[in-house]
Amino acid sequence: DARVTQTPRHKVTEMGQEVTMRCQPILGHNTVFWYRQTMMQGLELLAYFRNRAPLDDSGMPKDRFSAEMPDATLATLKIQPSEPRDSAVYFCASGPRGGDTEAFFGQGTRLTVV
Amino acid sequence: SQQGEEDPQALSIQEGENATMNCSYKTSINNLQWYRQNSGRGLVHLILIRSNEREKHSGRLRVTLDTSKKSSSLLITASRAADTASYFCATDDHNQGGKLIFGQGTELSVKP
Repeated sequence: DARVTQTPRHKVTEMGQEVTMRCQPILGHNTVFWYRQTMMQGLELLAYFRNRAPLDDSGMPKDRFSAEMPDATLATLKIQPSEPRDSAVYFCASGPRGGDTEAFFGQGTRLTVV
Repeated sequence: SQQGEEDPQALSIQEGENATMNCSYKTSINNLQWYRQNSGRGLVHLILIRSNEREKHSGRLRVTLDTSKKSSSLLITASRAADTASYFCATDDHNQGGKLIFGQGTELSVKP
């Protein structure tokens, strides 16, 4: 049963600390999305990769956020330094052909910055 | 940035009734998708309708697309308590190479 795996599921950290969230996309999918979900802003697209290359990260605060795909089986989203306003649920999704087909979502990482 | 706007924001119905949710968007699209999210879980894809299609069915789901009005609707027939969830539309912007942008969602509550 192929699925997108995100770790950790929950993370509580202190303001100023570095946070790394990981995502294992479905094998064979060439597209990876990172979204942030909050009550106020809904689902915001942070970054979008195709074939491991970043296509769009315009939704991501560049001063503290970074997204990478070191290899086809791992995508990472880092926040350094973290701030309380970064508290949200972060979702990774993968797809076989970008937005042209359905995206498969992981269960999310619930981040709380205190 | 948000592309789709769902309407209503919240909907409460009785089991057995039909539920209709609407989505409006701003730009030219390749396709429009509907997703469902149960509380505390990831989103699950329901149905995709391409820009050259007007209507699509999947089980109890019926989706329509009107590209001239830049709007779509999702109809769930004979609703069940298990349909209680948030429903989101997402658009694949024609000019943005596969970027999938979500609306704010409709929170559906189906009472037994």
